[in-house]
Amino acid sequence: GENVEQHPSTLSVQEGDSAVIKCTYSDSASNYFPWYKQELGKRPQLIIDIRSNVGEKKDQRIAVTLNKTAKHFSLHITETQPEDSAVYFCAAQNTGNQFYFGTGTSLTVIP
Amino acid sequence: NAGVMQNPRHLVRRRGQEARLRCSPMKGHSHVYWYRQLPEEGLKFMVYLQKENIIDESGMPKERFSAEFPKEGPSILRIQQVVRGDSAAYFCASSKPGQEIAEAFFGQGTRLTVV
Repeated sequence: GENVEQHPSTLSVQEGDSAVIKCTYSDSASNYFPWYKQELGKRPQLIIDIRSNVGEKKDQRIAVTLNKTAKHFSLHITETQPEDSAVYFCAAQNTGNQFYFGTGTSLTVIP
Repeated sequence: NAGVMQNPRHLVRRRGQEARLRCSPMKGHSHVYWYRQLPEEGLKFMVYLQKENIIDESGMPKERFSAEFPKEGPSILRIQQVVRGDSAAYFCASSKPGQEIAEAFFGQGTRLTVV
């Protein structure tokens, strides 16, 4: 089955700096890669996603890149703000509609 | 569209009791996924169901745990004879059928505490 690895597990950045979270996957047939943000005590919320026929997608301060050859994808947050502090999960969806999640990155933005 | 609804939000059970967790998917969604999350840990896959079918239960313990998604009504995750180690947040997510790529949306979770 699919195996998704996520790094780093914790990340601290100064407000205004950029944050990058990286994930790798093992199943070359996976074709959809969402990212979720989970604030303390709340549900994971979909913040951005990318499909296998696209290399990059951007939504305001958030961008995601995908390298199919290397089987890795990354989340980039620019101009970080304290409200970006949360746990971020990457996931990969295979052709059977099953989702496999990374272990999460706890991001702290220091004011 | 009310989103994915889970109830109860909080559930306290004594050791040995049964816990029933409910998940109503978003309107039009017939795929349901259940995940368990321990404090400060990731989302551990338990089971993937479609209406009246279990597609993948490879993440669910073989004993005491069961899941169903009947034709009518919510999906139910059932934990029999709960133990302290079952204390966790249980999240369900739902997605639409019939699509090659289907976004999954999460419910608010049920926080189970076994005392």
